[in-house]
Amino acid sequence: GAGVSQSPRYKVAKRGQDVALRCDPISGHVSLFWYQQALGQGPEFLTYFQNEAQLDKSGLPSDRFFAERPEGSVSTLKIQRTQQEDSAVYLCASRRPEQGSYNEQFFGPGTRLTVL
Amino acid sequence: RKEVEQDPGPFNVPEGATVAFNCTYSNSASQSFFWYRQDCRKEPKLLMSVYSSGNEDGRFTAQLNRASQYISLLIRDSKLSDSATYLCVVNGYAGNNRKLIWGLGTSLAVNP
Repeated sequence: GAGVSQSPRYKVAKRGQDVALRCDPISGHVSLFWYQQALGQGPEFLTYFQNEAQLDKSGLPSDRFFAERPEGSVSTLKIQRTQQEDSAVYLCASRRPEQGSYNEQFFGPGTRLTVL
Repeated sequence: RKEVEQDPGPFNVPEGATVAFNCTYSNSASQSFFWYRQDCRKEPKLLMSVYSSGNEDGRFTAQLNRASQYISLLIRDSKLSDSATYLCVVNGYAGNNRKLIWGLGTSLAVNP
C-alpha cells in the first residue's frame, strides 16, 4: 500500500478485556515503531522492531503490553486485561532503511482505544 | 524535567502574521531534530528536519542552537491551513535515531 495502515481505527473495550491492534507498515520499511498518544500529549515511545527483532521495548508501560512482528512485516500490539488508563491513540510508524542521516518516520492513522 | 519541552500554547494569530515556536531539549548528545505537524485527530507528519546551519522551506524556517539546546520554528505569512499542533522531536541517543523523544506539541490557530 501507499502508506502505513492500522486496524481497527476505533476500538471500545470493557475493562479487563484483551485487545489486539494491527499495523501494516510501508513495504520495504525494516523499522517499525509503536507509540501511545494520550489526549493533549505528544506520542510516547512504546517499542521498536528492526525486521522481526524487537530491539527496544523499554516504553511498554506494563507486562500487560506485548508486541510482535513475527515475519518482519505486519506487527500486532496486544494489551491484556485493559484498564481505563490504557485509553489513548496507538500510533504505528515505519521507516525505510537509513540512508545517511535521513530518518523520517511515516505514521499510520492510529487506533483510538477507549476502555470503559 | 521532561526531555523535550515546548510551550503548549495555544497561539492564536491572524492570517499573515509571523509566529515562532521554541523547544528545549535536555540530552546534549542528541544528534537529530525534527518538527512534525499534527492535525486534529490525524497522525503526525514530518514538517522538516532541523540542521545545524538552519534550514528554510518556503515560509518555514528551522534553527538549532546546540549551545543552548533549543530548536525553533518560524512560520512567516501564516495561512489558515497552518492551524495545527507542531511537535518538536529529538532523537534519544547520539547517532541513533531509533528512539525519538516527542514534546507535547504547540497548538497554533490562525484566524481570518
